[in-house]
Amino acid sequence: KQEVTQIPAALSVPEGENLVLNCSFTDSAIYNLQWFRQDPGKGLTSLLLIQSSQREQTSGRLNASLDKSSGRSTLYIAASQPGDSATYLCAVLETSGSRLTFGEGTQLTVNP
Amino acid sequence: SQTIHQWPATLVQPVGSPLSLECTVEGTSNPNLYWYRQAAGRGLQLLFYSVGIGQISSEVPQNLSASRPQDRQFILSSKKLLLSDSGFYLCAWSVSLFTDTQYFGPGTRLTVL
Repeated sequence: KQEVTQIPAALSVPEGENLVLNCSFTDSAIYNLQWFRQDPGKGLTSLLLIQSSQREQTSGRLNASLDKSSGRSTLYIAASQPGDSATYLCAVLETSGSRLTFGEGTQLTVNP
Repeated sequence: SQTIHQWPATLVQPVGSPLSLECTVEGTSNPNLYWYRQAAGRGLQLLFYSVGIGQISSEVPQNLSASRPQDRQFILSSKKLLLSDSGFYLCAWSVSLFTDTQYFGPGTRLTVL
């Protein structure tokens, strides 16, 4: 059974810092990995999707990397802003394509 | 552009009462639709998914059921709610089943008392 772990569970940083969120998964037979953002009481917004054949994806100040063999992904946020404050979730899709497993998320607070 | 709606936004129901949550998608045809639950201290759990009208797949045995009476309408129901049904329910859609980006609705906060 695939298990997805996100560390740390919560993170508080001053504005302007570069930061890294971590995601690990137990079964490396994945189809893709996605990073989502969730604001309090809201739905999820997709940030980046990395196919299993890719090493990284970038969107603006966000960069996600994938090391499938070691079962790890990182989300790098450059020059953090208070508006980045949210919970960040990663999710992996198994090779069979029939199960999307989510981590519990990292709650990020960026202080002005 | 595509949009996804869920209602109600919040709901407080007594144990044993029925439930009906609705999700609709606009701006796309033949979407794959999903119901997730996010409970306190737990990650998102996939409850149901649907590839078309009347086609429902259940991921976990539970007190809930789902229906898809129209192409862009997905309904989550229960005949008798349990305390453990409390949580944040999210509907999502995607073009391809599971393999591409899923777009989520705003969610429904359900509290069962």
